[in-house]
Amino acid sequence: DTEVTQTPKHLVMGMTNKKSLKCEQHMGHRAMYWYKQKAKKPPELMFVYSYEKLSINESVPSRFSPECPNSSLLNLHLHALQPEDSALYLCASSQPQGGAMMKGQFFGPGTRLTVL
Amino acid sequence: RKEVEQDPGPFNVPEGATVAFNCTYSNSASQSFFWYRQDCRKEPKLLMSVYSSGNEDGRFTAQLNRASQYISLLIRDSKLSDSATYLCVVNWGNQGGKLIFGQGTELSVKP
Repeated sequence: DTEVTQTPKHLVMGMTNKKSLKCEQHMGHRAMYWYKQKAKKPPELMFVYSYEKLSINESVPSRFSPECPNSSLLNLHLHALQPEDSALYLCASSQPQGGAMMKGQFFGPGTRLTVL
Repeated sequence: RKEVEQDPGPFNVPEGATVAFNCTYSNSASQSFFWYRQDCRKEPKLLMSVYSSGNEDGRFTAQLNRASQYISLLIRDSKLSDSATYLCVVNWGNQGGKLIFGQGTELSVKP
């Protein structure tokens, strides 16, 4: 059983739709992440939230809008996406990096997004 | 030079074989190192952290050489269930929480 959950598992949307991906973690972590993964490629970091504040935005297009309502929840709002945005969207959580060492990140099962 | 570079795959090995994965990273400020495994169409799962002194977890042994910026993973007595893609992952210097993933090496263990 994963302690990071994501909904929905699958999502098909048109280019004019607005939808949201949701992530919840029950590990007491204070850092949460969004990644995008294309087939046969490694995950690519999109956003990092630390203590509910956005700390890293990897130059992600504004059609992706993250939100962290509280320490357990992370949303990704989608609007006017392109077909090339079709991918697996992964949420992860960890303890925030304190000092030099960091603990590993724990991933949810992902949302498989198809943009038509 | 790629930020995190791994052996190209795939590796096809028989059950019981010992297999080694290698990885190099370019950012000398990196402090944290991990191996993840990812099964087809699933999320990456943390296999083990990698410590300077080397560490072992059952059939899995990880080594780190900071001077050479090199990480390895050794799997002994490989099982069919070890078939997966293995990802070398490095934190990116002091950019809190930013992990850089290698391209991954696919392992297929055959009966």
